[in-house]
Amino acid sequence: AQSVAQPEDQVNVAEGNPLTVKCTYSVSGNPYLFWYVQYPNRGLQFLLKYITGDNLVKGSYGFEAEFNKSQTSFHLKKPSALVSDSALYFCAVTPRRGNFNKFYFGSGTKLNVKP
Amino acid sequence: DSGVTQTPKHLITATGQRVTLRCSPRSGDLSVYWYQQSLDQGLQFLIQYYNGEERAKGNILERFSAQQFPDLHSELNLSSLELGDSALYFCASSGAGGTFSGNTIYFGEGSWLTVV
Repeated sequence: AQSVAQPEDQVNVAEGNPLTVKCTYSVSGNPYLFWYVQYPNRGLQFLLKYITGDNLVKGSYGFEAEFNKSQTSFHLKKPSALVSDSALYFCAVTPRRGNFNKFYFGSGTKLNVKP
Repeated sequence: DSGVTQTPKHLITATGQRVTLRCSPRSGDLSVYWYQQSLDQGLQFLIQYYNGEERAKGNILERFSAQQFPDLHSELNLSSLELGDSALYFCASSGAGGTFSGNTIYFGEGSWLTVV
């Protein structure tokens, strides 16, 4: 069965420190990979995606994600966290094949950045 | 602004009632998705339409139904509402699949439904 796992419900980090939000997946056929952020009472906003090429993808607000095919992981990273990064983060994947996109979302990870 | 428009933004209704949530996808997007997000649950996939046809069904209750119209806008109908249906309902859209696979899915700001 296709699935996406975000093993941490919550990640706490001090402002200025690097952050990592983990995501692993079990989806056949080298899927496309995405990260989204959700601020309170808002919709999900697209951060970045991996299509092909360089395993390190850069996205909005200084975030980047590293694709690791052998570990089937797509961890979200930022070198220096800001308090304003505190939000809910979702990993998502969609298979490469098919005539329409079907998306699988993780359960979300709450990021708390403390001053 | 994602380009996905949802109305109404907030809705308060009584148990047993029926409501309709409306979604206009991004210009040119053929796929529309509906998700439910409750306080104690993550993002629950309800249903997906592609160019007017139902393509995938998730955890959608029988009391709920949806459709996508020829102009590609979509409606989610929720009937016989219960207190537990109170949630944030999201619509999202993405482009065509096939050779265009890898299109990003974009979310609207959601419709807050409160059942009292």
